[in-house]
Amino acid sequence: DTEVTQTPKHLVMGMTNKKSLKCEQHMGHRAMYWYKQKAKKPPELMFVYSYEKLSINESVPSRFSPECPNSSLLNLHLHALQPEDSALYLCASSQRQGNYNEQFFGPGTRLTVL
Amino acid sequence: LAKTTQPISMDSYEGQEVNITCSHNNIATNDYITWYQQFPSQGPRFIIQGYKTKVTNEVASLFIPADRKSSTLSLPRVSLSDTAVYYCLVQDRDGNKLVFGAGTILRVKS
Repeated sequence: DTEVTQTPKHLVMGMTNKKSLKCEQHMGHRAMYWYKQKAKKPPELMFVYSYEKLSINESVPSRFSPECPNSSLLNLHLHALQPEDSALYLCASSQRQGNYNEQFFGPGTRLTVL
Repeated sequence: LAKTTQPISMDSYEGQEVNITCSHNNIATNDYITWYQQFPSQGPRFIIQGYKTKVTNEVASLFIPADRKSSTLSLPRVSLSDTAVYYCLVQDRDGNKLVFGAGTILRVKS
C-alpha cells in the first residue's frame, strides 16, 4: 500500500468553528508532513513530524495545531481560522525526514473558511 | 533564504524532449534535489532525485552541474498526459528549510 489518504476531501467552516483534518499512511514511514497550497502557488511546508515528535514548525499561527497520535496518523486541528487560510492542505509521508527521502503526498483537503 | 527559480510555463508538442531548469543558488551542501509533478486537484508525485551529475529512471533524467546551483529535469518524448506543473524541491542552506520552486506549467499539445 503506497497511498496516503486524507479526510475530508472538502471542508467549509466558519471563523468560529473547530474542525480537524486527518491523514493516514500504512507504509511504515516515520516522517509525516503538513503543507499548505494556495491556488497557482507551490506547496508551503507547515509542520514535520519525525518518529511521532514535532520536528519542524515553520512559524505557523497557533490556530493550526498538529497532532501525531501514532506512526500512521497525522491530524491538523483548526480553530478560529481566517478567510485567508482557505487553501488546499496536503499531507505527505516519507521513510525518514529529509529531502533525500521521497515524499508520498495525499490528494489534499480543500478548505474554505467563510 | 534560497530563491529557487523556474520558468513559469513551457509549451511543447507530443514526442518532443522537454528540459525544465531550476536555479537553487543557496542549496544545502548535503541536500538532494528532488522533482515532483502535480496534476490539478492532486498532491505532488515524485519524479526523480539526484545529488550530482546525472540520474536517469524510467520516466526522466536529471542533470546537475558540479556547482549544484541548478538542475535540469529532462522528459523524453512527452505525451499529452505529461501536461502538469513541475516543481523542484531543495533544502536551503540557511536553516535547512525545505523550499519548493514556484513551479513550471508544462502544456503538451498534439
